[in-house]
Order: sequence, then C-alpha cells, then structure tokens
Amino acid sequence: EAQVTQNPRYLITVTGKKLTVTCSQNMNHEYMSWYRQDPGLGLRQIYYSMNVEVTDKGDVPEGYKVSRKEKRNFPLILESPSPNQTSLYFCASRKISISGGAYDTQYFGPGTRLTVL
Amino acid sequence: AQSVTQLDSQVPVFEEAPVELRCNYSSSVSVYLFWYVQYPNQGLQLLLKYLSGSTLVKGINGFEAEFNKSQTSFHLRKPSVHISDTAEYFCAVSTSGTYKYIFGTGTRLKVLA
Repeated sequence: EAQVTQNPRYLITVTGKKLTVTCSQNMNHEYMSWYRQDPGLGLRQIYYSMNVEVTDKGDVPEGYKVSRKEKRNFPLILESPSPNQTSLYFCASRKISISGGAYDTQYFGPGTRLTVL
Repeated sequence: AQSVTQLDSQVPVFEEAPVELRCNYSSSVSVYLFWYVQYPNQGLQLLLKYLSGSTLVKGINGFEAEFNKSQTSFHLRKPSVHISDTAEYFCAVSTSGTYKYIFGTGTRLKVLA
C-alpha cells in the first residue's frame, strides 16, 4: 500500500529536550516536505527536499532541522524544543514530473501531535 | 507571490442540503488549484485539482469545483451533503516552476442531522 508514515503519532516533551520525528514514504517520491498545522493558520511549510541531500527552507524553518540521506526518509529534528512549537505536524511527499511537479498530488502522513511543556 | 483565502472558517449545514466552500487566490502567473480534505485525526487527502482545460472539475465523494479566472476563485460545491462529509477542507495553490504549495487556513464543515 502506498503511504507516508510518521512516528511517533503523539509526543509530549519538555522544553530543551531534543527530539526527532521520523517520516518515511514507499512511493519513490523525489519531493518531501514538512508542515505544521495550527488553528486559524492552516498548514505552513517548514522545510522541503527535492531529492537526497537537497533541502531548503519553507515559510517557518526557525527552530527546526531536517536531513535527507535516503530517498524514502525525511526526519524532522527539534534540537531545543520550545512551547511555541506545540503543534500538529505533517509530512508529505510527491513525485516531481518533468514540468517541475507543481501539479502533482501531495500524499500526507497521518500527523504527529507534539506538545512541548 | 501567491496567496489563498478561505473566508469561512466554519460552515454548518444540514444533512442533504447543498454546500459551497469558498476559496479565492492571488497570483500573477498561471496557477494549479487543489482542494484537500482532512477527516478527524487523519492526514490530508486530495479531493480534486484543476490543472487546465475545463473549468468544472469533479472530484471524489460527489464534490466538484469551478475555476473562475476573472474572479480568481475556486469554490468547492456538493449538491447534497452527508454526515460523513464533516471534516476540514483546505484550498491550495501552486504554480509551474515552483515546489511550494500555499494552503488556505481551512474551512471546517459541520453537517448536522
């Protein structure tokens, strides 16, 4: 089954304790992305990656890191989490077609609900 | 730069009634438009998308949307909603040559029995 998986689904942590949220896709997609969803703000892009070892900032990258060492995995790292990073996080992937992929469907993971105390 | 506006944060509607969820976008170049649905405690899934051609786009679960270039709108409609349509709906825009989707703030559809 084609899917994007995220782990953990729920996480409660304390300020300053480093954490990693994993994301994996089995569709051989080039493009992967992280979003955070907050009430009234919709989805905002944190980072994205167009292929292995190619990453770039989205709209709200502060406080986050990513890496893309393998095509299928795109972990999100919070080196020193703060309460304002309490949010619902989604990983997504899509293929990049010859045209650049602007019209390709994104496939989303089930989400990770993070609470930073 | 592109932007997406969903003016209605919540839309309550009775079962079997029609519904329209509004989406307006802003862009100086040609756009691709999408509607995604998020059921409770789930990720987003694609309802439909407009790439080019016919301005009326049909999607899954009986939804359709109409692209109106002059009004820069892409409203989502369903002639008769069901309880199971209760969810949050997101409009998104993308443009050729970019790798970013811009999402609206979402509209929460609540179908009442």
